[in-house]
Amino acid sequence: DVKVTQSSRYLVKRTGEKVFLECVQDMDHENMFWYRQDPGLGLRLIYFSYDVKMKEKGDIPEGYSVSREKKERFSLILESASTNQTSMYLCASRTPSTDTQYFGPGTRLTVL
Amino acid sequence: AQSVSQHNHHVILSEAASLELGCNYSYGGTVNLFWYVQYPGQHLQLLLKYFSGDPLVKGIKGFEAEFIKSKFSFNLRKPSVQWSDTAEYFCAVIPILTGGGNKLTFGTGTQLKVEL
Repeated sequence: DVKVTQSSRYLVKRTGEKVFLECVQDMDHENMFWYRQDPGLGLRLIYFSYDVKMKEKGDIPEGYSVSREKKERFSLILESASTNQTSMYLCASRTPSTDTQYFGPGTRLTVL
Repeated sequence: AQSVSQHNHHVILSEAASLELGCNYSYGGTVNLFWYVQYPGQHLQLLLKYFSGDPLVKGIKGFEAEFIKSKFSFNLRKPSVQWSDTAEYFCAVIPILTGGGNKLTFGTGTQLKVEL
């Protein structure tokens, strides 16, 4: 079974703090994704990565950056957290041949 | 850019009732289609998918979905729901593009509550 893990289930940060969200997958998938999930808005793509050291902006990249130094790890960075970034953050991975994405359990981030 | 519409945001059913959740997408080319489910407190997981072939696809837990290309629809169905089907359901679409760059687009989700 594919396993996607995220570093924290719950996180509380203060406005202006730098926040790191980590995601690790164990299936050697080339592609990895970061989404945020908000009630009534579904899942919106923040950033994705096709391979190591590659990154592409998704639909809502403002206020975020990413890092992919190793194939299994994809980090989402909030340079200066703001209250409107309070959300559930979901990481996913996939192998391009199947188009099927596998999701982590999510990190519920609260920015005070 | 493609978009995905789920018209029912909240659905409440009694156990044993039949379920149909609507999903429409706005992309004229070839697509792959998915339904994902998120049970309370659990991570998002794949319910079923359509890539090609028989437009009626069966997934886990008795769910099925029908792809109707002419209507750009991929509706999810279950003949008889159970209390354990209470969850949020997301339709998702990915266009098949040459050269890669295929991104999955999700609908806004349908919250299903099944009452005993």
